[in-house]
Amino acid sequence: DAGVTQSPTHLIKTRGQQVTLRCSPKSGHDTVSWYQQALGQGPQFIFQYYEEEERQRGNFPDRFSGHQFPNYSSELNVNALLLGDSALYLCASSLMYEQFFGPGTRLTVL
Amino acid sequence: GNSVTQMEGPVTLSEEAFLTINCTYTATGYPSLFWYVQYPGEGLQLLLKATKADDKGSNKGFEATYRKETTSFHLEKGSVQVSDSAVYFCALSEETSYDKVIFGPGTSLSVIP
Repeated sequence: DAGVTQSPTHLIKTRGQQVTLRCSPKSGHDTVSWYQQALGQGPQFIFQYYEEEERQRGNFPDRFSGHQFPNYSSELNVNALLLGDSALYLCASSLMYEQFFGPGTRLTVL
Repeated sequence: GNSVTQMEGPVTLSEEAFLTINCTYTATGYPSLFWYVQYPGEGLQLLLKATKADDKGSNKGFEATYRKETTSFHLEKGSVQVSDSAVYFCALSEETSYDKVIFGPGTSLSVIP
């Protein structure tokens, strides 16, 4: 079992640009959640996808959007990047109640 | 809203010392409680969990007991090793919010030989 995988590992963008991050869930998992972890802080919940629909959302602006595909993989899109969007973006997958986290994508906005 | 508070770090201990990391939470209903660990350069790993009051979660020598009366879930280990050096996150999952997890700010632990 490959576990949760994320791509890319690192990414550097400039302010105003758009970025797409990708996540493949653990085999058999149908729910994907995304978190933002700023340096030195705990992860903050962005949103969760289930059955290709956004099921719940945290306190993030509409610049953050996502998608889930029929194979349960997911994308996180961030538009109009700000310096404050620099963070580690974590994807987590789950089937019932326990979440399994991927290694994250480190996004740097210059 | 629901939240998690944990003791600030960094915490530095000598090998074989006793570890306690305090965690308290604010939540309605009966959340599930977790401790996650993040080793340097790695992703988050679930360390242990407890899903109802008085449950004790344990793993790799770490323990934490779900105390509803004090809304606490303190992490303990009797004898830490250098390999335990990591950042520890206390977290909760709301009873009615599927799998959404709310994390504390994390406590950095360094164990020196």
